[in-house]
Amino acid sequence: GENVEQHPSTLSVQEGDSAVIKCTYSDSASNYFPWYKQELGKGPQLIIDIRSNVGEKKDQRIAVTLNKTAKHFSLHITETQPEDSAVYFCAERAAGNKLTFGGGTRVLVKP
Amino acid sequence: ETGVTQTPRHLVMGMTNKKSLKCEQHLGHNAMYWYKQSAKKPLELMFVYSLEERVENNSVPSRFSPECPNSSHLFLHLHTLQPEDSALYLCASSQDRGTVREQYFGPGTRLTVT
Repeated sequence: GENVEQHPSTLSVQEGDSAVIKCTYSDSASNYFPWYKQELGKGPQLIIDIRSNVGEKKDQRIAVTLNKTAKHFSLHITETQPEDSAVYFCAERAAGNKLTFGGGTRVLVKP
Repeated sequence: ETGVTQTPRHLVMGMTNKKSLKCEQHLGHNAMYWYKQSAKKPLELMFVYSLEERVENNSVPSRFSPECPNSSHLFLHLHTLQPEDSALYLCASSQDRGTVREQYFGPGTRLTVT
């Protein structure tokens, strides 16, 4: 079955530094990889996604890279700010509507 | 605001109670989902409805009963729950056609079973 491993489970960075979260997946048919940010008391919010025909996508301070051969994808946050503190989830989808989520990474940006 | 609302936001119920969680989406989507979020399993899919028909049931105990009367509303009926069912229950919606199928989540209902 589908499986998504996410690392690290917690990440503490100094404000202004970069943060990197990595996910690996097992289903070679996976073709869509979203990232969600969940702040305290809120539901997960989609922040960026990438499809299998693209290797990298960037949106201001966040970027996602995908290596289909190695079956892993990563989220990069540059120039981190305190408001980036949240739990981040990666996910993958092979077909249909079902997303399989990673275990989450709690990011703390220290001022 | 994501366009997906959930009520109530917090619920405390005893093991013999019956209650319902409500989700409403204002995005014109035709697929809706229930997820359970707990410390053990951060985002666990429970049910998927597409065009008001249940298309997936992830081995969820029968004490959870979903209902989707139309494409904008989704309910989760709860009865004789166990303390281990305490969790955050999240609703999501998406468009079930084409390549644009991003899921949008509501704020969740924090459920405590006593």
